Amino acid sequence: DIVMTQSPDSLAVSLGERATINCKSSQSVLYSSNNKNYLGWFQQKPGQPPKLLIYWASTRESGVPDRFSGSGSGTDFTLTISSLQAEDVAVYYCQQYYSGSSFGQGTKLEIK
Amino acid sequence: QVQLVQSGSELKKPGASVKVSCKASGYTFSRNGMNWVRQAPGQGLEWMGWINTNTGNPTYAQGFTGRFVFSLDTSVNTAYLQISSLKAEDTAVYYCARGVLTATLPSTPWGQGTLVTVST
Repeated sequence: DIVMTQSPDSLAVSLGERATINCKSSQSVLYSSNNKNYLGWFQQKPGQPPKLLIYWASTRESGVPDRFSGSGSGTDFTLTISSLQAEDVAVYYCQQYYSGSSFGQGTKLEIK
Repeated sequence: QVQLVQSGSELKKPGASVKVSCKASGYTFSRNGMNWVRQAPGQGLEWMGWINTNTGNPTYAQGFTGRFVFSLDTSVNTAYLQISSLKAEDTAVYYCARGVLTATLPSTPWGQGTLVTVST
């Protein structure tokens, strides 16, 4: 099974500042035949189901603000929020869908 | 628009069974597989597996074999999760979510979640 590990577990960032969340997979999630990374990012706000933000490691889902971006390849990935807004307070999860699926443990993002 | 509507909260005793439903609308049910995800209170997301809504073939993640069964009723566009021999540690919110781009990438919107509480 592929294990996903996120860092940090929690993060406090000032409004308007950059937030960066890291995700590492125990094996590569890059599929060589199509050169795609099978890596997604989800946002979950309290009392709500998760929402898909990013797929293929760097493609934003329709309607997701462009302050959210994803990067990385192979085993190391990053979710960046370029200018934190109050509504971005949430728990963020990475997920691999290369082999079955598995989620990281989550990163709680708060306002400093 | 796409909607996944799940059944309501359940309170069950240890050893009992529960069946959670997920009714889909707004798309062709057989085109997208259905994922199931568990979230224990205050904890993270666990992918339980998925069911191919075209063939009915289920795939279970490690840790979700034996007591967990995915099923379908395609006549009413509904997926089901049944859990037998319930234990206290099964207390969680269970979500359904369809896989659009790939079978195991749960796409928005997810179901609203069903809280299953196992307690004496």
